[in-house]
Amino acid sequence: QKEVEQNSGPLSVPEGAIASLNCTYSDRGSQSFFWYRQYSGKSPELIMSIYSNGDKEDGRFTAQLNKASQYVSLLIRDSQPSDSATYLCAVFINDYKLSFGAGTTVTVRA
Amino acid sequence: NAGVTQTPKFQVLKTGQSMTLQCAQDMNHNSMYWYRQDPGMGLRLIYYSASEGTTDKGEVPNGYNVSRLNKREFSLRLESAAPSQTSVYFCASREDSPDQPQHFGDGTRLSIL
Repeated sequence: QKEVEQNSGPLSVPEGAIASLNCTYSDRGSQSFFWYRQYSGKSPELIMSIYSNGDKEDGRFTAQLNKASQYVSLLIRDSQPSDSATYLCAVFINDYKLSFGAGTTVTVRA
Repeated sequence: NAGVTQTPKFQVLKTGQSMTLQCAQDMNHNSMYWYRQDPGMGLRLIYYSASEGTTDKGEVPNGYNVSRLNKREFSLRLESAAPSQTSVYFCASREDSPDQPQHFGDGTRLSIL
């Protein structure tokens, strides 16, 4: 079993719609969770972090965490063409290691 | 504030050649990392360094060596490059706290012919 798994995508949504990205993780002891955005040919950039069960909102982005179900999600509201990118879920596994999912590619159709 | 700086940005090698990828961070982070990214496979950890003078293997260390020269610098060396090592390589660093994310360099695009 992979440490971090994401819905495979690609995900295509119309402009203005909500994009929903999902991530599951295997280590029940994980405490910190991150979402990175990666544009084609660029490096990953952090967009959200979440540590407690529930929702965390930052602008058009909402991260949701359910530790009992070992599940993290990212919602992008009012999707814009500039949101078209690959989104990486990352989970803090131990003292030093951050484990990444394979990523979900999102395309926002104008 | 430069953050994490990687050199070179692009490189083409022939099979069997050697080279060193350089990484430096100016954020006073103890932990540094080298990843490779291949299509459909996400980021895979090659090596990491929890502090100056220490290095540990990640998921895919074969064919690579690393050196943590000082707190700022962490280099990745390919002793005898193989076509399977064609990839995009990212260096990252982070503070030593579970709630801190990794900060990435711009990457090195390496092609081995």
